[in-house]
Amino acid sequence: DAGITQSPRHKVTETGTPVTLRCHQTENHRYMYWYRQDPGHGLRLIHYSYGVKDTDKGEVSDGYSVSRSKTEDFLLTLESATSSQTSVYFCAISQGPGQGSTEAFFGQGTRLTVV
Amino acid sequence: AQSVTQPDIHITVSEGASLELRCNYSYGATPYLFWYVQSPGQGLQLLLKYFSGDTLVQGIKGFEAEFKRSQSSFNLRKPSVHWSDAAEYFCAVGVGNNDMRFGAGTRLTVKP
Repeated sequence: DAGITQSPRHKVTETGTPVTLRCHQTENHRYMYWYRQDPGHGLRLIHYSYGVKDTDKGEVSDGYSVSRSKTEDFLLTLESATSSQTSVYFCAISQGPGQGSTEAFFGQGTRLTVV
Repeated sequence: AQSVTQPDIHITVSEGASLELRCNYSYGATPYLFWYVQSPGQGLQLLLKYFSGDTLVQGIKGFEAEFKRSQSSFNLRKPSVHWSDAAEYFCAVGVGNNDMRFGAGTRLTVKP
């Protein structure tokens, strides 16, 4: 199994509070991704990174920010959590040139509930 | 716009029966196509992928898929289902170099 660790695995937070999810990899893969999974929607890309300090928006980036200060860590921040951000969040990694053409490896997911 | 459609939300098959999960995509160029499986409480695991060449691709766990350009389809098949195959299955299409669009998923239940 690819070395991907997501933390926390479960979190309950209140509306309006900031939340940070962490993805840590031990594979030295260049590309890292954050997805959210919701019933009826499959997985949707939030943000991705193609190198240290290099990030870009995905399909559903509003209300989220990311940072990547080290190859191994990719942080997802919900600036002010809303109930619509209740979801399961997955981190993924790939070697590149990009996951559209190469295999992606997924973490175990973080279940976030915003009350 | 690029999209993936999995017409079947939930499928139930008997153990030992054959399985086919449907996937249709909409994409202008030659697609990169994937099937992933997700067991309850787990992340996604790649079953197989199609980039080019032979349109019938073999994957792990006895799965195969056939790319049919004329039908914009990439259906997943298995000749004999095992109880451990119960999971959710996602079809995905690679979009450019940095994005992947997923279908909504098909949940497979296996009856004893």
